[in-house]
Amino acid sequence: DTGVSQDPRHKITKRGQNVTFRCDPISEHNRLYWYRQTLGQGPEFLTYFQNEAQLEKSRLLSDRFSAERPKGSFSTLEIQRTEQGDSAMYLCASSLVGGRETQYFGPGTRLLVL
Amino acid sequence: LAKTTQPISMDSYEGQEVNITCSHNNIATNDYITWYQQFPSQGPRFIIQGYKTKVTNEVASLFIPADRKSSTLSLPRVSLSDTAVYYCLVGDYNQGGKLIFGQGTELSVKP
Repeated sequence: DTGVSQDPRHKITKRGQNVTFRCDPISEHNRLYWYRQTLGQGPEFLTYFQNEAQLEKSRLLSDRFSAERPKGSFSTLEIQRTEQGDSAMYLCASSLVGGRETQYFGPGTRLLVL
Repeated sequence: LAKTTQPISMDSYEGQEVNITCSHNNIATNDYITWYQQFPSQGPRFIIQGYKTKVTNEVASLFIPADRKSSTLSLPRVSLSDTAVYYCLVGDYNQGGKLIFGQGTELSVKP
């Protein structure tokens, strides 16, 4: 257990529905990252926050995806109008600014879009 | 960020030492080399990070030659529980920012 938690751990939804995932980072960590991982591939970066500011977004993050970190603590990732291609593991990681940053990952949320 | 190349898969037996080599010919001066381990249905877990020569912790050793164009992760006396995917990443993570993962090396440890 790294101290990063994600909820839910599994989500099954129908195409066209909206889903929201939550990530709670390690409490003192000010950077929070979202990644997506499909079967047999390494994780791919989606976006990251420093405190409440979203500093970078990948081109993978289409306009159906939105992420927030309203108070610089937990974060949510919402996918609107889900598509079957959104089926993946969504991973959250957090790190502390300063020195050699190590990202600590949560257990992930596995999404299946039917 | 420097591109990395590592074997897709490796097999080993319990009790053996396993060495996984990663090539990163375009590594930059400020780049560090970081290895993560990932078990099925779990997030990646940091194993070790280094800049040059040798780094050792309670889990693994990391060997980096002088030219830094490759690195070798060494796992001593592996057990069945070391069966996982191992990712080599290269980047200037002192500034934070995204990790770039390749496909990793799928290590299978057999009894």
